[in-house]
Amino acid sequence: EVQLLESGGGLVQPGGSLSLSCAASGFTFGIYAMTWVRRAPGKGLEWVSTIRENGVNTYYADSVKGRFTISRDNSAKTLYLQVDSLRAEDTAIYYCARSRDTWYFDLWGRGTLVTVSS
Amino acid sequence: IVLTQSPATLSLSPGQGATLSCRASQRISIYLAWYQQKPGQAPRLLIYDASKRATGIPARFSGSGSGTDFTLTISSLEPEDCAVYYCQQRSEWPLTFGGGTKVEIK
Repeated sequence: EVQLLESGGGLVQPGGSLSLSCAASGFTFGIYAMTWVRRAPGKGLEWVSTIRENGVNTYYADSVKGRFTISRDNSAKTLYLQVDSLRAEDTAIYYCARSRDTWYFDLWGRGTLVTVSS
Repeated sequence: IVLTQSPATLSLSPGQGATLSCRASQRISIYLAWYQQKPGQAPRLLIYDASKRATGIPARFSGSGSGTDFTLTISSLEPEDCAVYYCQQRSEWPLTFGGGTKVEIK
C-alpha cells in the first residue's frame, strides 16, 4: 500500500526537543521531494520544511529556521524532522507529504501531534 | 504570498452546489492547488494548476481561475464532502496555504 506514516510526536516542555519520523512504503521514495506541513489547533495548514530528492537542498519557513532540521534516508525510505528549542506556538499536528516535479502534494500521512506545554 | 479563503464556513444541503473562493495577495498564474481534509484524516489533493483534477477525484469537483482569484466548485454535494478545503500556491517560496473553508452538510 502506498502510504506515509508519521511518528515521534508527544508532549514536550518549552525549550525541549523531539525527533519526528515519516516512514514511506509502496513507492520509490528517492524520486520524491518530501515536505513537512503542520496544522496548529484552530488554524490552517502551514508549510514547515522541504527536502529535495537528493537530500542536499533544504528549505525552511522563517518561523522554524535555525530550530528545525529536515533530513532523509533514502535507503530506509524515511524522512525526519529534528525539532529543537520548541515553543508553545509549535504545538500542531505535523504531516509529511510528497511531491514530484511540482510543489503540489499528492500523498500525505495522517500526522503526529506535537504539544509544547509546561 | 497570502491566500485568503472565503467563506470560512459553508452550510449546504446534499445535492446543492458549493462555491469556494481563494484570493492571492499577488498574481500566481495558475499555480494553485486545492486539498480536502476530513476530521482525523490526511489531506487529499483534489485540484492542481488551478483546474486539473488529481487522479481519482470525482468529476463533481472542478477548479477555475488564474492570477489572483480562484474558485473550487462542488457541483452537487454528497454527504462525504463534509470537510475543510484548503488552497495552496506554488508560485513562490515560501509555499503557502489558505486558512481553509469548512463545508458542512445539513
